[in-house]
Amino acid sequence: SQQGEEDPQALSIQEGENATMNCSYKTSINNLQWYRQNSGRGLVHLILIRSNEREKHSGRLRVTLDTSKKSSSLLITASRAADTASYFCATDPPGGGGNKLTFGTGTQLKVEL
Amino acid sequence: KAGVTQTPRYLIKTRGQQVTLSCSPISGHRSVSWYQQTPGQGLQFLFEYFSETQRNKGNFPGRFSGRQFSNSRSEMNVSTLELGDSALYLCASSLQGAQETQYFGPGTRLLVL
Repeated sequence: SQQGEEDPQALSIQEGENATMNCSYKTSINNLQWYRQNSGRGLVHLILIRSNEREKHSGRLRVTLDTSKKSSSLLITASRAADTASYFCATDPPGGGGNKLTFGTGTQLKVEL
Repeated sequence: KAGVTQTPRYLIKTRGQQVTLSCSPISGHRSVSWYQQTPGQGLQFLFEYFSETQRNKGNFPGRFSGRQFSNSRSEMNVSTLELGDSALYLCASSLQGAQETQYFGPGTRLLVL
């Protein structure tokens, strides 16, 4: 089952603009990760933010996490055509061992020239 | 380091048959997880193996099974295939699997006719 929703489902912007995607989840988490997927291929890890962190940066990516609202956002600045892909958030529940990621529904981003 | 590899990349089977998919993790990674991706259900966790033991399991019927070998390579098997098993099957590996970044392979696309 899906952990939560991503908003918007689809986003179309012009190259150079910023893209913001939001993710909401339902249960407590240990960490939240963002992944990118190009055209039904494998997932590429973008960034991991732990539950005790509020903001994290990586290159043109900025992720925020609000555990009180059970939500996260991914901001891609100065977007490029190569950023066109689907973006997923994934959460890892606290406690227990191992991995058991629960993914959101994804946002399809299209960056036009 | 070489990334996660999955074989075969594409597979066509008919209902009632069984299939085995293979995943080779990144060298040194001991945790291997499997996910199913379909347009209707999105990305769903199947199971995770660590040190040849199944450590976590998702909500899939017993027709879905897996195993891990001493070199950390993993296989998943689906018996008595159904049309609804058509999907992209993704494998991911991580070092210890304790809620770390997971690195995904390119996936195996299975079509059941």
